[in-house]
Amino acid sequence: DSGVTQTPKHLITATGQRVTLRCSPRSGDLSVYWYQQSLDQGLQFLIQYYNGEERAKGNILERFSAQQFPDLHSELNLSSLELGDSALYFCASSTGGDRAEQYFGPGTRLTVT
Amino acid sequence: DQQVKQNSPSLSVQEGRISILNCDYTNSMFDYFLWYKKYPAEGPTFLISISSIKDKNEDGRFTVFLNKSAKHLSLHIVPSQPGDSAVYFCAASAPGTYKYIFGTGTRLKVLA
Repeated sequence: DSGVTQTPKHLITATGQRVTLRCSPRSGDLSVYWYQQSLDQGLQFLIQYYNGEERAKGNILERFSAQQFPDLHSELNLSSLELGDSALYFCASSTGGDRAEQYFGPGTRLTVT
Repeated sequence: DQQVKQNSPSLSVQEGRISILNCDYTNSMFDYFLWYKKYPAEGPTFLISISSIKDKNEDGRFTVFLNKSAKHLSLHIVPSQPGDSAVYFCAASAPGTYKYIFGTGTRLKVLA
């Protein structure tokens, strides 16, 4: 158990809909990262937050947005969903240093039908 | 543009033998490299890392080798055990970017 929790575990929704994925970091960690793993794809880095502020951005679509709240939990919002958004979405947390070890949650499996 | 590549999607090895997983990168700014292991229905877990000032780092049965001139790193597992069966991801980071770029993973199967 990494100490990182993600809800829900599974999510099935229709194209065009909007969903919110939630992540609670390990106790004491200030940084949260979001990744997408599609079929045959590696872990695609989406975005990182540190203590409530966005710090690094990856290949995150404009239809996706995220935020980190004062209690340090984070939410990833996916809107206007397309079939291709079906993937595993992982959240990771770290202390926030440049080379800090990232601890991953178990992931949320999103299926868009 | 895939900056970190794992060209072997899968690998099978007999128990007790050496497993060698390979990773290539294209960005010369990368100076820190990691390997993560992932079991089904779990998130990836950190395995071992190496800084570009070194060419080898060892932790028990796991050794990572870095060849900067070839932009290549490899993970050696000796001896391989059935519990090592998992997907292995390599990742790389450039200084000050606060992010890791992951490869597509190699599925290792260790046969008993």
